[in-house]
Amino acid sequence: GAVVSQHPSWVICKSGTSVKIECRSLDFQATTMFWYRQFPKQSLMLMATSNEGSKATYEQGVEKDKFLINHASLTLSTLTVTSAHPEDSSFYICSASPRLYEQYFGPGTRLTVT
Amino acid sequence: RKEVEQDPGPFNVPEGATVAFNCTYSNSASQSFFWYRQDCRKEPKLLMSVYSSGNEDGRFTAQLNRASQYISLLIRDSKLSDSATYLCVVGTTDSWGKLQFGAGTQVVVTP
Repeated sequence: GAVVSQHPSWVICKSGTSVKIECRSLDFQATTMFWYRQFPKQSLMLMATSNEGSKATYEQGVEKDKFLINHASLTLSTLTVTSAHPEDSSFYICSASPRLYEQYFGPGTRLTVT
Repeated sequence: RKEVEQDPGPFNVPEGATVAFNCTYSNSASQSFFWYRQDCRKEPKLLMSVYSSGNEDGRFTAQLNRASQYISLLIRDSKLSDSATYLCVVGTTDSWGKLQFGAGTQVVVTP
């Protein structure tokens, strides 16, 4: 149980284009989903907290107009990186939380912007 | 100062040996603590929660020292498959259950 899928697993896009990443909880409902970014040899950095049916809460320094988050249902959240630039290249990981502090992670999406 | 700090390692451990490492956290009000394991280029996976009285799960033992604000993980009888990065994770005190991750301690178990 507690499986989270993420799609795509990797994507290469050109600078200036937008990329959408999907995060789904497959066998449970998650009121809250989280989006993280991880650069090589660094810790996971929380980007935003997403709650079903409401606007996402972004961490300090994360541009909400650049990283659009939609939590359409209790099993689906999407992150859209708009007008991507090479510095946005990173490993993006989502997690789904059925209960407080209990988070199950998706397999991550490796984004490369050329 | 980082919220959660860990020795990055690597800790090179002969197979069968014991290895232990700590992490420190800055928020004394934190109530929830975890160890996650992350393999190269993969997502983190929960290894174990850390309870106030300390707890054991097979070859893994976790301890919490609230007074000194550190958490430890000990791995006994190390296996080659234990090679990974171990992430110290602290639950924040907000209402959403956010987690703060350390940068990880790399463990390399050698034959």
